[in-house]
Amino acid sequence: DAKTTQPNSMESNEEEPVHLPCNHSTISGTDYIHWYRQLPSQGPEYVIHGLTSNVNNRMASLAIAEDRKSSTLILHRATLRDAAVYYCILAIEDSNYQLIWGAGTKLIIKP
Amino acid sequence: DVKVTQSSRYLVKRTGEKVFLECVQDMDHENMFWYRQDPGLGLRLIYFSYDVKMKEKGDIPEGYSVSREKKERFSLILESASTNQTSMYLCASSLWTQGLNINYGYTFGSGTRLTVV
Repeated sequence: DAKTTQPNSMESNEEEPVHLPCNHSTISGTDYIHWYRQLPSQGPEYVIHGLTSNVNNRMASLAIAEDRKSSTLILHRATLRDAAVYYCILAIEDSNYQLIWGAGTKLIIKP
Repeated sequence: DVKVTQSSRYLVKRTGEKVFLECVQDMDHENMFWYRQDPGLGLRLIYFSYDVKMKEKGDIPEGYSVSREKKERFSLILESASTNQTSMYLCASSLWTQGLNINYGYTFGSGTRLTVV
C-alpha cells in the first residue's frame, strides 16, 4: 500500500521548470515526505524530504501544501540528465519510518 | 564520494543453488536495507538491519536470510534459489535517527540483477 498517488508519466522541455505532483491524503502529522529518483539502470537516488515547511537543496525544491495532503517536487531547470522515475514516498511513524515505495512518475525530457 | 557497493552487477544462478549477495558501505551508517525491484511492483523491502548482528524482516522475507557481522557489510542470502527470485536486488544504507530515516536519505547501490534458471 503505497500511500501516495502520482501521475504515471510527465513530459517537459529541456531547460524549463518541472513540477511533479504527489497526493498523500492519508498523511498524519508525524509522517515525512521523501522524494527519490531512479535513473535508468541505477539504484534510486535521494532528492529531498520535508515535514511541514517548504525545502530547498541543490537538486530541487519541495513545496508542501498547508494541509500536507499534497506536495510538489520542483526541478527549476530540467536537463536531459533529469530524465528518470521520480518517487514520492511517505516515511510513516507507525512503520518506524520505513519508506513505502509506489510506482513513481516517469519524467521524460524533450530536447 | 560516499558509496554503497554491491559485489556483482549481474548474476546467473541455477535453481536450488545457495546465493550470496554482498553489500558494503563506507559511510559508517547504522541502518542497512535489502530491497528487490520488479516491474509493476516497485521496490519491496526484504530485510533491514539497524545494528551489527541485528536484523528485522521487511515485507517479503520468505526465501531469504541476511547476515550483518560488521557494520559496513550486509549480506543477503538465498538459501535455495528459485526462478521467482529472479529480480533486481538493491542494497541501501542510512544514518540512524529516532526512526529509521527521519532526517536522512537512503544511499543506494547500483543493484544486482539476478537471474535464476
